[in-house]
Amino acid sequence: AQTVTQSQPEMSVQEAETVTLSCTYDTSESNYYLFWYKQPPSRQMILVIRQEAYKQQNATENRFSVNFQKAAKSFSLKISDSQLGDTAMYFCAFMKGGTIQGAQKLVFGQGTRLTINP
Amino acid sequence: GAGVSQTPSNKVTEKGKYVELRCDPISGHTALYWYRQSLGQGPEFLIYFQGTGAADDSGLPNDRFFAVRPEGSVSTLKIQRTERGDSAVYLCASSPRAGGPTDTQYFGPGTRLTVL
Repeated sequence: AQTVTQSQPEMSVQEAETVTLSCTYDTSESNYYLFWYKQPPSRQMILVIRQEAYKQQNATENRFSVNFQKAAKSFSLKISDSQLGDTAMYFCAFMKGGTIQGAQKLVFGQGTRLTINP
Repeated sequence: GAGVSQTPSNKVTEKGKYVELRCDPISGHTALYWYRQSLGQGPEFLIYFQGTGAADDSGLPNDRFFAVRPEGSVSTLKIQRTERGDSAVYLCASSPRAGGPTDTQYFGPGTRLTVL
């Protein structure tokens, strides 16, 4: 079974600062994907970024980037030039690759509550 | 365009009652997922539909939980003999194709179920 661990329950930074959220995972799979989702107070989960395990290059999406350390099973999210609208819960998630049963479900961590202060 | 919608937004019921939670996926999306999010936790997978059939129901906690998607669009999650431990936010998601890690899941706002 896969597990995802987020060790920071809460974080708080000032607007325009850079913040890094941590995530570690455990799996015996070789083909998998990792994700960061954002959940604002509206409860609607929004995909922030996706990383394929077989790609060495770290994924980036505008102000969001990841530091993927496969050997250490670490997958952190860096938010640059943070904005007030980034305030939300952030969840790290794992999914098996391929089309086998179980490949479609996301396994989530416990989440990190991020607050951006003006 | 319209996103995933879920009704009701909030549901309060008494222990032992039956409840139905509805999910309207994005039009044309083939795959549909249900997750449960307990307070202070990340979502946990319940069931995944590919079209009308449940392709993976390994996350359903027990036989009090059942879900259907009879026409391959709207889905209903049904909980019989509700217990206080069933209190959670129930999230629905849909994706355009056959599911899998490159097929982005789009989530609805969830239904908050409270069992008194």
